[in-house]
Amino acid sequence: RKEVEQDPGPFNVPEGATVAFNCTYSNSASQSFFWYRQDCRKEPKLLMSVYSSGNEDGRFTAQLNRASQYISLLIRDSKLSDSATYLCVVNKAGNEKLTFGTGTRLTIIP
Amino acid sequence: NAGVTQTPKFRVLKTGQSMTLLCAQDMNHEYMYWYRQDPGMGLRLIHYSVGEGTTAKGEVPDGYNVSRLKKQNFLLGLESAAPSQTSVYFCASSDRLAGGGKTDTQYFGPGTRLTVL
Repeated sequence: RKEVEQDPGPFNVPEGATVAFNCTYSNSASQSFFWYRQDCRKEPKLLMSVYSSGNEDGRFTAQLNRASQYISLLIRDSKLSDSATYLCVVNKAGNEKLTFGTGTRLTIIP
Repeated sequence: NAGVTQTPKFRVLKTGQSMTLLCAQDMNHEYMYWYRQDPGMGLRLIHYSVGEGTTAKGEVPDGYNVSRLKKQNFLLGLESAAPSQTSVYFCASSDRLAGGGKTDTQYFGPGTRLTVL
């Protein structure tokens, strides 16, 4: 089983719709969680960290469920500029390395 | 601040040739990483460094060597390039969190597209 698993998509969503992605992780010792965004032929960039209590940044909401070992990302009122690949990233406590999922591709359709 | 920079941006090699990819960061970060990204495989860690003068193997280290002689630079070497090393290479850096031994957000360079014929 992969350490971090994501639905690769693609998700094709009309502009203005709400879309949600899930990501599961296998190591219960995982401590830090992130969502990164990667545009086509560009480097990954941090979108947001994921906290135990859940957190929101504008149209983006991230949730963590430790019991079921998954994190989610919700995008409301989607924009054309949200088209990208979204990477789920996990870190174990005391570890210098991050583990990246293979990404979920999202395309927003006008 | 330039953040993380990588040179070159593109390179084409013939099988058996050697080359060095340079990564530089101006954020005074302790940790630096080299990844490769291939379609359907996601980011895979090649080597990393937790400080000047230190290096460690990642998930896919074979065929690569690294050096961290200065804190701000992390070099990735291919001694004898093979077509299987055709990929996009990303360098990243991050800082050490308080309490030690735990990394924070990683910041990535723009990538190097390498083709080995």
